[in-house]
Amino acid sequence: DQQVKQNSPSLSVQEGRISILNCDYTNSMFDYFLWYKKYPAEGPTFLISISSIKDKNEDGRFTVFLNKSAKHLSLHIVPSQPGDSAVYFCAASYSGAGSYQLTFGKGTKLSVIP
Amino acid sequence: DVKVTQSSRYLVKRTGEKVFLECVQDMDHENMFWYRQDPGLGLRLIYFSYDVKMKEKGDIPEGYSVSREKKERFSLILESASTNQTSMYLCASTSPGGVREQFFGPGTRLTVL
Repeated sequence: DQQVKQNSPSLSVQEGRISILNCDYTNSMFDYFLWYKKYPAEGPTFLISISSIKDKNEDGRFTVFLNKSAKHLSLHIVPSQPGDSAVYFCAASYSGAGSYQLTFGKGTKLSVIP
Repeated sequence: DVKVTQSSRYLVKRTGEKVFLECVQDMDHENMFWYRQDPGLGLRLIYFSYDVKMKEKGDIPEGYSVSREKKERFSLILESASTNQTSMYLCASTSPGGVREQFFGPGTRLTVL
């Protein structure tokens, strides 16, 4: 049973436009969400996170929105740049686990077209 | 800066061989994790460890074992490599309390022939 879902395997966006990557989750115990970016042949790098007590977190060009009632979060990249082309993974965790295990989605491959 | 290093970037092994993948972190993190990444399947947790000599199975432990003799080092062992274990293997670490971000190593691309 997939607890974190990224339903779009790929997304193409024109340079300068907004990229919106979506993520849905099913486990209502999740209380912390993260986005990772991964280039080919490299490890994932942390991008931005949000706690369930917030509905928005912003860091430069990256904003994550959380809608708890819909169990949905999204990552907005504005403006998109060619260097943003990568696979983006959504991840979730809950504090009760104690280990801070992360449950990952399958990823969305973003292509930013110059 | 947290640094997580993995012993090899690329590895080619034969079916039936015993394979060791090593991971070292330099931030005194208690928790360490091994994942594999396959196209269309995302990151799947193989094993993790809370502390020295501790290990817990993740979602796909079959065919793998782990060892954690020192806090900074977490090894993944493929007892008898098979072709379906061809994958990208990623190690990560984190510290309990506070930020839940996991720090990843660069990955090992393992090919089993």
